Amino acid sequence: GQNIDQPTEMTATEGAIVQINCTYQTSGFNGLFWYQQHAGEAPTFLSYNVLDGLEEKGRFSSFLSRSKGYSYLLLKELQMKDSASYLCAVRRGYSTLTFGKGTMLLVSP
Amino acid sequence: ETGVTQTPRHLVMGMTNKKSLKCEQHLGHNAMYWYKQSAKKPLELMFVYNFKEQTENNSVPSRFSPECPNSSHLFLHLHTLQPEDSALYLCASSLYRTSGDQRSDNEQFFGPGTRLTVL
Repeated sequence: GQNIDQPTEMTATEGAIVQINCTYQTSGFNGLFWYQQHAGEAPTFLSYNVLDGLEEKGRFSSFLSRSKGYSYLLLKELQMKDSASYLCAVRRGYSTLTFGKGTMLLVSP
Repeated sequence: ETGVTQTPRHLVMGMTNKKSLKCEQHLGHNAMYWYKQSAKKPLELMFVYNFKEQTENNSVPSRFSPECPNSSHLFLHLHTLQPEDSALYLCASSLYRTSGDQRSDNEQFFGPGTRLTVL
């Protein structure tokens, strides 16, 4: 079976840095994805990790430790538009994704 | 715009109705997916099609019937649904590779979803 855990909600202030954690237990691990989903909209791809380490993409970075079954998404210089749900998803095999419940991030002024 | 479109965007149906959801992707992908998203629950994978062949059915009740006539189109046929089937139904597409290249991301691109209400 698979188990993916991430916090339900987080709050942060505009301009700050926030780290959203994700832990997973799975067989056949073949990569971890982070998606952003604004209310009423489709999830959009943010980042992908398959090897241990940090992947940086502008204000967003994602880290993976396969031995610990752990990932985090780091958002810097938070903006109001970053208020959204952040979904951690683990891939097994070549196409199948299993999603966590998502972390609702609220950015306040 | 992600290159994946879904129609209708909203659908209200009775338990005895038959309706279909449509998904179309313009990205040249060869894998398509149906997901269900209910409140307070994670995105649930329902079906996977690779090269028009169904490769995964995630224990979905038979009142949901998928159809993939070609790599660009995916349908979800609905009949005799229950109120608990009310949810957001999302379609996604991606490239399907078996090259074993671990740097390949193959991210899934999602459509805007169909908000389904079953009365």
